[in-house]
Amino acid sequence: AQKVTQAQTEISVVEKEDVTLDCVYETRDTTYYLFWYKQPPSGELVFLIRRNSFDEQNEISGRYSWNFQKSTSSFNFTITASQVVDSAVYFCALEGLGTSYGKLTFGQGTILTVHP
Amino acid sequence: DAGVTQSPTHLIKTRGQQVTLRCSPKSGHDTVSWYQQALGQGPQFIFQYYEEEERQRGNFPDRFSGHQFPNYSSELNVNALLLGDSALYLCASSSTGLANYEQYFGPGTRLTVT
Repeated sequence: AQKVTQAQTEISVVEKEDVTLDCVYETRDTTYYLFWYKQPPSGELVFLIRRNSFDEQNEISGRYSWNFQKSTSSFNFTITASQVVDSAVYFCALEGLGTSYGKLTFGQGTILTVHP
Repeated sequence: DAGVTQSPTHLIKTRGQQVTLRCSPKSGHDTVSWYQQALGQGPQFIFQYYEEEERQRGNFPDRFSGHQFPNYSSELNVNALLLGDSALYLCASSSTGLANYEQYFGPGTRLTVT
């Protein structure tokens, strides 16, 4: 079975603060993908990043960065210098490339509120 | 380039009724997945269609069924609606080609069962 845990239910920060969203996953598959999605109030899930289990390099995209550590089964997401527009629900997701191919398993989500 | 579209946007049904939700994938995508997202929860995978066949299925009862058409669009049918079926239903499309693997999600259909 696959499982994704996002321990932080809600996070509240003031604009320009850095914030890290935690994600821990469980899978028996040796090959898998990890994802982060953003869900603004409109409801549509917006793709942010996909990471292959063989690629443990950290990635930075503008104010966003991701830290993948296979040894601790974690895939954390950091927003630097947060902005009000970053307020949304963020989901971490996992897809195993064994029997779960094509099926995304999502965490419960973290509600991020950025105050001006 | 149109993204994933879903219809209707909102729907109100009564317990015991049947409902059909529709999804048109992003241009160039051939695979459609459906997810149910209850309030305050993460999306739960219902099933995935590829080449007009169900390729993967999550832990949902047979009341949930689907169909994919030759133009890759898809329908989700739910029979004998229960109050617990009230949720946001999300459709996602993707391409079987590895170069474009990401699942792109539509805006969802908000189903309320009374």
